[in-house]
This record gives sequence, C-alpha cells and structure tokens, in this order.
Amino acid sequence: EVQLVESGGGLVQPGGSLRLSCAASGFTFSSYEMNWVRQAPGKGLEWVSYISSSGSTIYYADSVKGRFTISRDNAKNSLYLQMNSLRAEDTAVYYCARVIPGRYSYPLDYWGQGTLVTVSS
Amino acid sequence: EIVLTQSPATLSLSPGERATLSCRASQSVSSYLAWYQQKPGQAPRLLIYDASNRATGIPARFSGSGSGTDFTLTISSLEPEDFAVYYCQQRSNWPLFTFGGGTKVEIK
Repeated sequence: EVQLVESGGGLVQPGGSLRLSCAASGFTFSSYEMNWVRQAPGKGLEWVSYISSSGSTIYYADSVKGRFTISRDNAKNSLYLQMNSLRAEDTAVYYCARVIPGRYSYPLDYWGQGTLVTVSS
Repeated sequence: EIVLTQSPATLSLSPGERATLSCRASQSVSSYLAWYQQKPGQAPRLLIYDASNRATGIPARFSGSGSGTDFTLTISSLEPEDFAVYYCQQRSNWPLFTFGGGTKVEIK
C-alpha cells in the first residue's frame, strides 16, 4: 500500500525555521518525482515545490523561492522541505504528493495527510 | 503565468442531478490538465488526468473533456459522496503547477 506521511509541522514565530519530512512507503520512492503543495486555512491549493526522482531538477513557486529548500534522500525513502524566514502567509497545511510518471499533466496520485504549519507570534 | 479560473464558485444540486464544472486557462495548456476532489479534513484525490483520463478507481460517472483553454469536469449523476470541492490543475513550463480556485458542489 502506498503511504506518504508528513511530519515536522508546528507553531513557529515569524522569521523562524522549520523542516518538514515526508516518509514514503509501499512504492519505489527513487523512481518518482515529488511535490510539496500547501493549503492555507479555508483556502485553495497552492503548489510550493517540485523535485525530480534523482533530485537533480528542482522548481519553486515564486512565493517561497529563496526561503524554502526541497530535498530528498532516496536511501531513506524521504522527502524534505526546509523552510526559513517564515511569514504569517506561510501558515497552511503542507502536503507531499507523488507524480504519476509519464503523464503530460504531472498528476498527483497519492498525497499525505498533511502537516499544519502555523506562523505566529 | 498561467491562471486557471474555475466556475461557478458554488454549484447547488440534488443527488441524481448532473454536475458540470468549468476550468478556463489564461493561455493554452494543451491537454495538460488534471482534476481533484477534496472533502473537508482530507487530502485531495486525483480524479482525471491529461484532461480526459480517469485515475485508477474513479467511477465512470466522472468524466473530463476539453483542450487548449477550456475544460469541463462532468459528474453524470451525483451520489451523496460527491458533494465536495473540486480543483483543476495545470502543468506548464512556468510555473510548473497551477491550481484553480475551486468549485464547491453542495447539496441543494
């Protein structure tokens, strides 16, 4: 069974840092591209970052570029999101999600349950 | 930047009725479009990819159509479990992904 389990969320002050993790199981993690997607309370979905299966290609949304860093450890079947210089507008549930290989729209077929990040003083 | 506009924002229908949801892109995205369903407190669930292909395990009452800038998600006969929020998502060179603002399908 495919599982994605996020952890690392919590309450952090503006300007602070947090590192999210996503533990993958039930599939060959090293073969899949991965993403982070977030959802502010009561709002829609916002793509945050993408990483290729090898980790060699990375993209960020403009809203987080220069502050967030995506990475992965294929040996540990894990995806990470290092978040620095956090702002109130980064408050959201953060999901990790897997891309179906070879499909034009890069559809996200499996999602974790999400981890809540709250940025507040 | 490609913007996806979903309409209507809210659709009020009864079980058994047909639901037609629209997603319009600010420029052509070819067939690089997917649809998701999200229920309160849950992660999104993939319904349709590449504009018209049902994801694994998705019932046949869900169908997607369109290409270029205009896309439609149709639910042929609403079941009680279909009342939820629906998002479209496109993939392009930049930004890599964009989501629409969502359409809430509520019980009339």
